[in-house]
Amino acid sequence: EAQVTQNPRYLITVTGKKLTVTCSQNMNHEYMSWYRQDPGLGLRQIYYSMNVEVTDKGDVPEGYKVSRKEKRNFPLILESPSPNQTSLYFCASSMTGANQPQHFGDGTRLSIL
Amino acid sequence: TQLLEQSPQFLSIQEGENLTVYCNSSSVFSSLQWYRQEPGEGPVLLVTVVTGGEVKKLKRLTFQFGDARKDSSLHITAAQPGDTGLYLCADTALNAGGTSYGKLTFGQGTILTVHP
Repeated sequence: EAQVTQNPRYLITVTGKKLTVTCSQNMNHEYMSWYRQDPGLGLRQIYYSMNVEVTDKGDVPEGYKVSRKEKRNFPLILESPSPNQTSLYFCASSMTGANQPQHFGDGTRLSIL
Repeated sequence: TQLLEQSPQFLSIQEGENLTVYCNSSSVFSSLQWYRQEPGEGPVLLVTVVTGGEVKKLKRLTFQFGDARKDSSLHITAAQPGDTGLYLCADTALNAGGTSYGKLTFGQGTILTVHP
């Protein structure tokens, strides 16, 4: 089944403790991206990747890192999480870019205390 | 930075009623996508519109793209409880180098509740 898988689905942690949210897709998609969703703000793009080893900032990249070492995986790294990064995070992928239909994961709810 | 404004922010209606939600952009759309999101899930693509004046139909859903490509609407006929969800519009933009469509900007969404 074609899917985008995020882990973990839920995480409660404390300020400053490094964490990684994994994202994996099995559709051989070139494009992957990360978003955060906050009430009343819709989804805001954090980072995107056009292909392996190619990443670029979205609208809200501060406090986040990403890497794209293999085509199927696009982890989101919070080196020193802070409470304002408490949010619902989504990973998405598409064949070649943002102008293609996006396939989203089911989300990761992060709470940073 | 492009801004997408959706209205209304909330909509609560009875089953069988018709409704329209709107998406307006601060700049000309590139490739507008409409998504629906249900609680606990990621957004799911409904349609993509590209050409000014374009109209697309998906069963009881009708999507229109303004001639000037700065506005779009989603009309639902005879709404059903299964239509309940968050409706999001999104537009793409070229990356800083102007070589590829990497950026995707979403509106804040319209929360639709259809009561039986």
